Amino acid sequence: QSVLTQPPSVSAAPGQKVTISCSGSSSNIGDNYVSWYQQLPGTAPKLLIYDNNKRPSGIPDRFSGSKSGTSATLGITGLQTGDEADYYCGTWDSSLSAGVFGGGTKLTVL
Amino acid sequence: EVQLLESGGGLVQPGGSLRLSCAASGFTLSSYAMSWVRQAPGKGLEWVSGISGSGGSTNYADSVKGRFTISRDNSKNTVHLQMNSLRAEDTAVYYCAKRSGSYSSSSADYWGQGTLVTVSS
Repeated sequence: QSVLTQPPSVSAAPGQKVTISCSGSSSNIGDNYVSWYQQLPGTAPKLLIYDNNKRPSGIPDRFSGSKSGTSATLGITGLQTGDEADYYCGTWDSSLSAGVFGGGTKLTVL
Repeated sequence: EVQLLESGGGLVQPGGSLRLSCAASGFTLSSYAMSWVRQAPGKGLEWVSGISGSGGSTNYADSVKGRFTISRDNSKNTVHLQMNSLRAEDTAVYYCAKRSGSYSSSSADYWGQGTLVTVSS
């Protein structure tokens, strides 16, 4: 049981847009920055979004992040088959004094 | 170029111990917090432990508290995870991750390729 809640899967056609939600509480998302990670099959996770909505160098602007209260959202536009991956939200939990992740969302580009 | 190389994984019996190492290069280790994140086979990511840039602050997931110890040697550019009293549920790929700031609460901006730990008799 993950502290943060994500949908297990989402799907959309190439070129379309998809959003992935991440729900938490006042001690984690409500009190700290949210990051998003992309894990392609068989590889290590990669930072996609940090500080709620910032993109590291090299991450295309097709990827965006937002946060409102105790929830966060990852948006991906212009979907490509290469975007098929597992996506995880992560943050710090001030009550647990520990890092926390969502259970992950598998993106399928039909 | 930032590089993180984990080592020390392997097969261990329940109740046994392992020490994982993470060799860091391409950045000043003492300026950044570091963490270990694990992923059980077919499962999601689980944060395990974090250590501040100075090493003065450490944090652990409840699932490993009292059994695992994180440490760092900034002079040797390495981070360690000492794992004792291992259980079958500790079986996972263990990733070393650099944090973007000096505190464990910052995002993980670089990850190693992981080392597999298998706990089985």
